[in-house]
Amino acid sequence: AQSVTQLDSQVPVFEEAPVELRCNYSSSVSVYLFWYVQYPNQGLQLLLKYLSGSTLVESINGFEAEFNKSQTSFHLRKPSVHISDTAEYFCAVSRSSGGYNKLIFGAGTRLAVHP
Amino acid sequence: NAGVTQTPKFRVLKTGQSMTLLCAQDMNHEYMYWYRQDPGMGLRLIHYSVGEGTTAKGEVPDGYNVSRLKKQNFLLGLESAAPSQTSVYFCASSTPGQPSTDTQYFGPGTRLTVL
Repeated sequence: AQSVTQLDSQVPVFEEAPVELRCNYSSSVSVYLFWYVQYPNQGLQLLLKYLSGSTLVESINGFEAEFNKSQTSFHLRKPSVHISDTAEYFCAVSRSSGGYNKLIFGAGTRLAVHP
Repeated sequence: NAGVTQTPKFRVLKTGQSMTLLCAQDMNHEYMYWYRQDPGMGLRLIHYSVGEGTTAKGEVPDGYNVSRLKKQNFLLGLESAAPSQTSVYFCASSTPGQPSTDTQYFGPGTRLTVL
């Protein structure tokens, strides 16, 4: 069975500092990995995803995540955060069951960026 | 395009009451999903639908029913609400392509409190 573990429930950080949000997954088959972001009082939005190819994937707002098969990790990083990055971040793995995409989510990491 | 919309945004019920949550999408997506979000637990799949007239159980289906009479709408019903169903409910939709890799688009959520 696939599962996702987000190692930190909350991450406080100062503006312009680097940040890493950790995600580990367990799976016995090929995986597709996602990071979703939830801004306050909004639904989830896709931030980035790993499907195949380059193990480093980037988003349009400066986040990146690296797929590490040997460590079964998909950590999310940003070299310099902004106040506007304050949100909850969810790591997810896709499970294909009967040909349909089901997302298994981690518990989430709340990123709080302070001035 | 409005994307995925949910009605209502907030609702308070008494134990034993019933209600229906409406999800609508205007992206012509085949697949639709209902999740619940609880603190520290991420999102868990309640039910999903792979097309008009078809529904299937997800991870936590007990106490809920769904219907997909029209392609653009996915309804979630609570026949007899219980305090354990206090949660934030999210609807999502996606389009079939490679089922394991397609992006899910989320609505803004419905916050339900059962007293």
